[in-house]
Amino acid sequence: EAQVTQNPRYLITVTGKKLTVTCSQNMNHEYMSWYRQDPGLGLRQIYYSMNVEVTDKGDVPEGYKVSRKEKRNFPLILESPSPNQTSLYFCATSLSSYNSPLHFGNGTRLTVT
Amino acid sequence: GESVGLHLPTLSVQEGDNSIINCAYSNSASDYFIWYKQESGKGPQFIIDIRSNMDKRQGQRVTVLLNKTVKHLSLQIAATQPGDSAVYFCAERSTSYGKLTFGQGTILTVHP
Repeated sequence: EAQVTQNPRYLITVTGKKLTVTCSQNMNHEYMSWYRQDPGLGLRQIYYSMNVEVTDKGDVPEGYKVSRKEKRNFPLILESPSPNQTSLYFCATSLSSYNSPLHFGNGTRLTVT
Repeated sequence: GESVGLHLPTLSVQEGDNSIINCAYSNSASDYFIWYKQESGKGPQFIIDIRSNMDKRQGQRVTVLLNKTVKHLSLQIAATQPGDSAVYFCAERSTSYGKLTFGQGTILTVHP
């Protein structure tokens, strides 16, 4: 079954404690991206990757890092989480960056206290 | 369930009615558009897409209409069912840099 898998689904942590949210896809998609979703602000892109070893900033990259060492995985790293990073995070992938729809994971609800 | 937005536009319909959800997009350079459905606790789910060289595309029970003159996109759902209740987002992509930009969403509630 084609899917985008994020882990964990829920995470509660404290300010400053490094964390990683994993994303894996089994569709051989080139394009992968991270979004955060906040009430009243909608979905905003954090980082994206056009292919292996190619990553770029989205609209709200501050406080986040990503890596794309292999095609199927695109982890999101928060080196020093802060309360304003409390949000619902989605990983999304598409076959290419043009004219193909994004397929989303089921989200990771992160709470930073 | 998860709350995905505050003060989003809402549309309430009776089961069996047709629903029309509207979206205004901002970038005249956008030439690819997508509709997504998001149910509580889940990620956005692809419904249908349309390229700018078309003005209408039909899927199963859904039709997307694109009016480039006024930069307007609509999603029509025929014979709406309670399972269609969700938040619906439009998204636009400019091929100049490939970024997908999402609208705020519309809450559709279908009453049995």
